[in-house]
Amino acid sequence: GESVGLHLPTLSVQEGDNSIINCAYSNSASDYFIWYKQESGKGPQFIIDIRSNMDKRQGQRVTVLLNKTVKHLSLQIAATQPGDSAVYFCAENYGGSQGNLIFGKGTKLSVKP
Amino acid sequence: GAVVSQHPSRVICKSGTSVKIECRSLDFQATTMFWYRQFPKKSLMLMATSNEGSKATYEQGVEKDKFLINHASLTLSTLTVTSAHPEDSSFYICSAKRGGWAAFFGQGTRLTVV
Repeated sequence: GESVGLHLPTLSVQEGDNSIINCAYSNSASDYFIWYKQESGKGPQFIIDIRSNMDKRQGQRVTVLLNKTVKHLSLQIAATQPGDSAVYFCAENYGGSQGNLIFGKGTKLSVKP
Repeated sequence: GAVVSQHPSRVICKSGTSVKIECRSLDFQATTMFWYRQFPKKSLMLMATSNEGSKATYEQGVEKDKFLINHASLTLSTLTVTSAHPEDSSFYICSAKRGGWAAFFGQGTRLTVV
């Protein structure tokens, strides 16, 4: 079965609010995590990544938090915009730089104007 | 940025025919490419890992004779769906690693077998 899962399959937020998307992973050997955004009919788009030796990483309007104790990953989107509406996937990597990415189930984010 | 191009974006074929999907890394060399399959409203399922100059590594349950993968150069991998049937209809996506950890994805190919 899948080793990466998501707590919330759908998330609806108001434009301008902050969004938090959660992900649980089960493989304690995973060494790298990525959040992807996928719009309908398109391939996943890289958002932000984090190595297992970090617990927080910030990008433009996005922050990824990693809690290895409870094997939990989250993506925070600040000031959510309608263009953020998409399905978000977390993916875990094990096996180093040549390893495979295993995807979670995905969370659909809907932003209400 | 790292650009991965996939072609075609959509294809409709008759049952029993074969379809080839191309995946190209446009601005970097990719020693490893990955092929995924995605059903509607589902996550991406890894099908196989494609290594330049060697045989692909298939995930459990994926028929290697059905899904032929060729990684002929550092910038091109192809997936051929042989003797396609309606149940092969799906969204196929490739990705490539740029020598680091992050994988970058193509835009996907919508295959419909009629």
